[in-house]
Amino acid sequence: GIQVEQSPPDLILQEGANSTLRCNFSDSVNNLQWFHQNPWGQLINLFYIPSGTKQNGRLSATTVATERYSLLYISSSQTTDSGGYFCAGGSQGNLIFGKGTKLSVKP
Amino acid sequence: DVKVTQSSRYLVKRTGEKVFLECVQDMDHENMFWYRQDPGLGLRLIYFSYDVKMKEKGDIPEGYSVSREKKERFSLILESASTNQTSMYLCASSLLGGIDNEQFFGPGTRLTVL
Repeated sequence: GIQVEQSPPDLILQEGANSTLRCNFSDSVNNLQWFHQNPWGQLINLFYIPSGTKQNGRLSATTVATERYSLLYISSSQTTDSGGYFCAGGSQGNLIFGKGTKLSVKP
Repeated sequence: DVKVTQSSRYLVKRTGEKVFLECVQDMDHENMFWYRQDPGLGLRLIYFSYDVKMKEKGDIPEGYSVSREKKERFSLILESASTNQTSMYLCASSLLGGIDNEQFFGPGTRLTVL
């Protein structure tokens, strides 16, 4: 099955810094999503991005489908950005999740 | 907005009990999913369903069953709960087919089996 690798596993930032999270896939996917997990455990949809680039405020994402990777950019980070970030992809409506990046933004 | 709700945020059960976790979505989605999330292991798919009364095993179905009697409701059943089923359980839904299979998640249920 598809393997999903996320990096880095942990990231500590000072408030205001920028960061890039990466997701690599072992095979082609036609679904790809990025999620933020809030402190209560809920997965919040950030992007549905099987290809191309999207932006939403301070967050943006780029997927290069031909090279099987996706990037999530966080600019001007805030303490409220802290938490888990997950990418997930699949080819038949299902999603395989990476193990996530745990982000801590310090004031 | 898509809304996926789960019956409980926190649940404590005893070993051997039968446990029902309920999930309801209000967007007429065909697909529904149950995952569990454990530290170091990430999210893993237990079961999914693409239609009423249909079910498919995911990666870790052992010890679980599911029921989909109505399109909007997908239940996860632990026939005889065990301590290794202590976990965070997350339900999701999505449209079937098409070009957009975005999954939307409920708030999760933290289950503790004593």
